[in-house]
Amino acid sequence: NAGVTQTPKFQVLKTGQSMTLQCAQDMNHNSMYWYRQDPGMGLRLIYYSASEGTTDKGEVPNGYNVSRLNKREFSLRLESAAPSQTSVYFCASSEVHRGLGNEKLFFGSGTQLSVL
Amino acid sequence: EDQVTQSPEALRLQEGESSSLNCSYTVSGLRGLFWYRQDPGKGPEFLFTLYSAGEEKEKERLKATLTKKESFLHITAPKPEDSATYLCALSRGSYIPTFGRGTSLIVHP
Repeated sequence: NAGVTQTPKFQVLKTGQSMTLQCAQDMNHNSMYWYRQDPGMGLRLIYYSASEGTTDKGEVPNGYNVSRLNKREFSLRLESAAPSQTSVYFCASSEVHRGLGNEKLFFGSGTQLSVL
Repeated sequence: EDQVTQSPEALRLQEGESSSLNCSYTVSGLRGLFWYRQDPGKGPEFLFTLYSAGEEKEKERLKATLTKKESFLHITAPKPEDSATYLCALSRGSYIPTFGRGTSLIVHP
């Protein structure tokens, strides 16, 4: 059971380069999320997609774009990478049952990104 | 603005030495409070959801409790394999969890 799969696991970029982080889930979840995790800052939400065809900004969206390609896949793009985007990126998914409140998240193993 | 504060930031225990981690919060209309475990180099893994004050959940050596202002994660007779970072998160009407900064737990043999 793969769960949430992220690629790549590691990436080094130069300032100004672009790249796309890929995420796929096989649990048929409606909602998907991108978080970044920095030392001392905890997990911060970048973008989320409540359902296929919709995306919304989270707490720290500047410098990022997302695409919900289909129900399984949710990608995160850095158009012009900056050193401040050096972080560990996590994709997550959940089956949100509105009215039941069961928003527990299933996370991928993360992408460690360094921008030089 | 929703606030989630975890304490302590770091905790070192001897094997068998029970203790508690704290998650205090301020939010209007709490829908759920979540505990996750995160091992180095991995994504967080779900442990518990608590929905209302007075609720308790248990799993092996872990027990989570909830009041109107805080949640505790009690660790009874911990083992070295319990070493990890424990994250607390809460959600309300937006259905998007807000995470605390975590408590790093090290259990020495």
